[in-house]
This record gives sequence, C-alpha cells and structure tokens, in this order.
Amino acid sequence: EVQLLESGGGLVQPGGSQRLSCTGSAFTFSNYAMNWVRQAPGKGLEWISGIRDSGVNTYYADSVKGRFTVSRDNSKNTLYLQMNSLRAEDTAVYYCAKGTFGYSYGYVEFDFWGQGTLVTVSS
Amino acid sequence: QSVLTQPPSASETPGQRVTISCSGSSSNIGSNYIYWYQHLPGTAPKLLIYRNDRRPSGVPDRFSGSKSGTSASLAISGLRSDDEADYYCAAWDDSLSGVVFGGGTKLTVL
Repeated sequence: EVQLLESGGGLVQPGGSQRLSCTGSAFTFSNYAMNWVRQAPGKGLEWISGIRDSGVNTYYADSVKGRFTVSRDNSKNTLYLQMNSLRAEDTAVYYCAKGTFGYSYGYVEFDFWGQGTLVTVSS
Repeated sequence: QSVLTQPPSASETPGQRVTISCSGSSSNIGSNYIYWYQHLPGTAPKLLIYRNDRRPSGVPDRFSGSKSGTSASLAISGLRSDDEADYYCAAWDDSLSGVVFGGGTKLTVL
C-alpha cells in the first residue's frame, strides 16, 4: 500500500527556518512528481510547490517563492521542503502529495497524500 | 482571494442532486484540465475527478465532472450523509506556472 509519511513540523519563531520531510513507500518514488500542499487554520487548500521526478524542475506558488526550497533524494525515497523566513501566515498543516506522472499532470493530479504535519509560526 | 472561484457553501437533502461550480480564466481552466478533490477535515484529501470528467477507480458514478470554457462543475447525485465534506477544484495556471485551487465549497447534507 502506498504510504507518504511527513515529519518535521512543530513550533518555530517568526523569521526562523524549518525543514519538512516526506518519505514514500510501496511505489517507485523516482518515477513520480511530488508536491507540497498546505491548509492554514480555517482556510482552504493551497498548493505551494512541485518537483519533477528527476528533481530537475521545481515550481513554487508566489506566496513562498524565494523563501521555500523543494528538493528530493530519490535514493532515500524522500521529499523535502526547506522553509526560511517563516511568517505567521505560514502556519498550516503541510501535506505531501504524490503526482500520477513524473511531470506535467504530476503537478496537479495527486493520487496519494500524506496525513500532514502541522507547522506553527509564533513567538 | 482564490484564483478559482467556488461558492463557499452548498446544501441539499439526502437522495437529491447538488452541483458545485468553479470559475476561472483562460490561463487555468480555459486551457488546462480541471480536477476535483474531496476533503474531510483531519484526513488526507482525495482525488474525486481528474482531467475534467474522469473518475479514479473506487469513486462512485454518483460523482461527475464537466467543463465548459473557463468554468467547471462537480455534480453529486443520490446524496448521502457521508458526502458531507469540503470540495475543491484545482487546475494548472499557465500564467503563474503553478497549481491553483478554488477556495473550497463546504457541502452540507441536510
């Protein structure tokens, strides 16, 4: 059974940094695009980043561009999100989501999601 | 303000049919596929409709999607109490080079 397990959430101060991880199992991780989607308290879903199967291409929402960096280590079946210059409005549950393709549809067509990890930005 | 516009809420009685709309522009819905996700708070979202009108295996045919121009809609027939959830539309946006979601529609089955 495909599983995605996020980790790295927690409480961080404004202006601080945090790194999230998402480890996949039961599928060939290196064949699929991976994405990060978040949901702030009381708000809707927001796609924030996607990365191609090979890791060569990355995409970001304007709200995080220049502050967040997505990467992957296919040898470890792990996706990362490095978050810098964190703001209160980044407080959210962060989900990793597996694309159905290595690119193209893989950035919007998500067949499996993790359970999410909560990041709280507060002093 | 979301790039894709959905009504914040919808409601209908069990057994009836409800439609949720999603309005966008030429850079997203107008030129790319539309997707629909079902999300129950505290759980992982679920892909409900992909590439405008296709259902993943396991999704009942009570759920259907359509698209016309820069708008799309999700229809749910034979409403059940366990259809109560938040529903989101999503599409790739060529101008933003990223994915845009609608603000979500909270469906209540009365």
